[in-house]
Amino acid sequence: QQQVKQSPQSLIVQKGGISIINCAYENTAFDYFPWYQQFPGKGPALLIAIRPDVSEKKEGRFTISFNKSAKQFSLHIMDSQPGDSATYFCAAWYNYGQNFVFGPGTRLSVLP
Amino acid sequence: EAEVAQSPRYKITEKSQAVAFWCDPISGHATLYWYRQILGQGPELLVQFQDESVVDDSQLPKDRFSAERLKGVDSTLKIQPAELGDSAMYLCASSLPSPETQYFGPGTRLLVL
Repeated sequence: QQQVKQSPQSLIVQKGGISIINCAYENTAFDYFPWYQQFPGKGPALLIAIRPDVSEKKEGRFTISFNKSAKQFSLHIMDSQPGDSATYFCAAWYNYGQNFVFGPGTRLSVLP
Repeated sequence: EAEVAQSPRYKITEKSQAVAFWCDPISGHATLYWYRQILGQGPELLVQFQDESVVDDSQLPKDRFSAERLKGVDSTLKIQPAELGDSAMYLCASSLPSPETQYFGPGTRLLVL
């Protein structure tokens, strides 16, 4: 129940295209859902996050869509750029704990 | 911009040897986390500190791993003896009391031969 599932494992998108990464969870106690971006050799960096009381959050080219009833959330990267090539992790936090549960990651490659 | 510092960045050791990693969190961050990230997977929490106290070490293999944060500031993670399966990236992160935003350091990549 603590697991967060993520798909696809890898994704190749042309420059200017839309990248979509999906995550699903089981534990309804989760109440905070961040996305992290990680470049090779670097630690993850917070990209965008959402709480389940909203269905969508947009920051620049990055949008989180949240479906509470389906227990799913997704990251959309509009106008994808080669500089977006990285590994993306979804995560979830439960309020009675103090740690995040991370998904397994999606390796995104944006072709020039 | 304040950052989480970690050293060393890379460590190669032989099986059965002892290794130690150091982390200096962002100033003022009371909460410190150590994660292990196996290649191709997401980070897994090993231990969490609130100031100098351990909040969660349920996933820490205590027979060989130890962690301390004596003065509630910087922290050390030790492995003794190292095993081949310990090869991974070890990430340190810190946050204010609210853990909603964790800031990660660059990590220490460990290779056990």
